[in-house]
Parts: sequence; structure tokens; C-alpha cells
Amino acid sequence: DAGVIQSPRHEVTEMGQEVTLRCKPISGHDYLFWYRQTMMRGLELLIYFNNNVPIDDSGMPEDRFSAKMPNASFSTLKIQPSEPRDSAVYFCASSYGKRGSTDTQYFGPGTRLTVL
Amino acid sequence: GIQVEQSPPDLILQEGANSTLRCNFSDSVNNLQWFHQNPWGQLINLFYIPSGTKQNGRLSATTVATERYSLLYISSSQTTDSGVYFCAVAKLSFGAGTTVTVRA
Repeated sequence: DAGVIQSPRHEVTEMGQEVTLRCKPISGHDYLFWYRQTMMRGLELLIYFNNNVPIDDSGMPEDRFSAKMPNASFSTLKIQPSEPRDSAVYFCASSYGKRGSTDTQYFGPGTRLTVL
Repeated sequence: GIQVEQSPPDLILQEGANSTLRCNFSDSVNNLQWFHQNPWGQLINLFYIPSGTKQNGRLSATTVATERYSLLYISSSQTTDSGVYFCAVAKLSFGAGTTVTVRA
């Protein structure tokens, strides 16, 4: 398997623009997680899905952020409108949930977002 | 939420040295994982270890759940061990990490 795939790897945009980050989990995994990493706040869990259903979105910072998982092989994280403080590396991870949401997670390479 | 504290924040090692990284957490957990983030940013899961001891090559980990801490041991360190080591608990709250630099 190719592992978790994220696109784009780098995104530079201007404040106010819509940004869409994409993730393809490992085939057969039933949990998908979105994380954000910044120097100030470290790694933060934003939201996770089980069988395409959002389970916990308490980490989503505000209404400008939304995430969807229309099918088992694709998820998006959208920021609209984007702000400079959204600049971060966004990671997607997936796992196979024998133990529920606590199973070993496999991370994608991340998307480095810069909002000017 | 659960607080996760890692120590030391930074560690510089000579190649071949052994080291111990510590993770303290503030409440009972049924999930604890150790991750390594390499200098290129890739996150790799090292251990799922809510309790007990596991070993994988030169790395091993021990979690004493009743005392709310976990230890990650690196033996015979190599330059490829450099990076940031994160402890994460529950769903998942990450510590701030320990930055390890191994010098040749």
C-alpha cells in the first residue's frame, strides 16, 4: 500500500481565500484523523471519522473550518476564509480500529499551508 | 483535558550512547503511543503501549499506567534517530516532544 496520501504537499494562499486539503487513507482503514501542527501549539487533533462519519470535531478551531468524508477513500479539510494564523502543517492519519479510535495511526506526509 | 508532559525537552547524544525519554500524563488512559517525527517532518508510530513493556530493535518502551508515566529507551543511538519524539495519550493529546540530536 502507498500509505496515507495527502495533497497538495505545499499550499500558499492569500488571506480570505478558500483552501481545500485532501487525504486518501490506507485502504481498509476505518478511522481517519486530521491534525494541525504549529510551533506555538504543537500537534492538535482537529477531527476524526469512523466509517466516514464524523465522531469528534471538538478540536476544530472555528466555523471557518469544515471536514468531510464522502467515502472510505477520500476526505477533505476546508478553510474558508483562510487567515494568516491558519498557517501550519496539516496531517491526515488513518487506522484500522480493532481497539476503536485508539489504534496505531499511520500519518501522511502533511500539507504545509502558508496564508499570506 | 489530559495533560501530557515530556522530558527532557532537548537531548544531544553522541552516536552509540543510550538515552531515556519520559512522558508523564495527568489521568488514567487506555491509549498511549510514541511517535518519531524525522527531520523531514514525517511522523512514524513507534509503539502503542498503554501498559507494560515492548521492544522493537534498539527502541523499547515501558508504561506504568498506575503511576501515569511512560519511558522510551533508545540504545546505541544512531544519527538516524535524530528528530522529535512525541508521546500521545487518549484520542490523542500530544506532549510537546523531546528533540533528539545524535552526533556522529
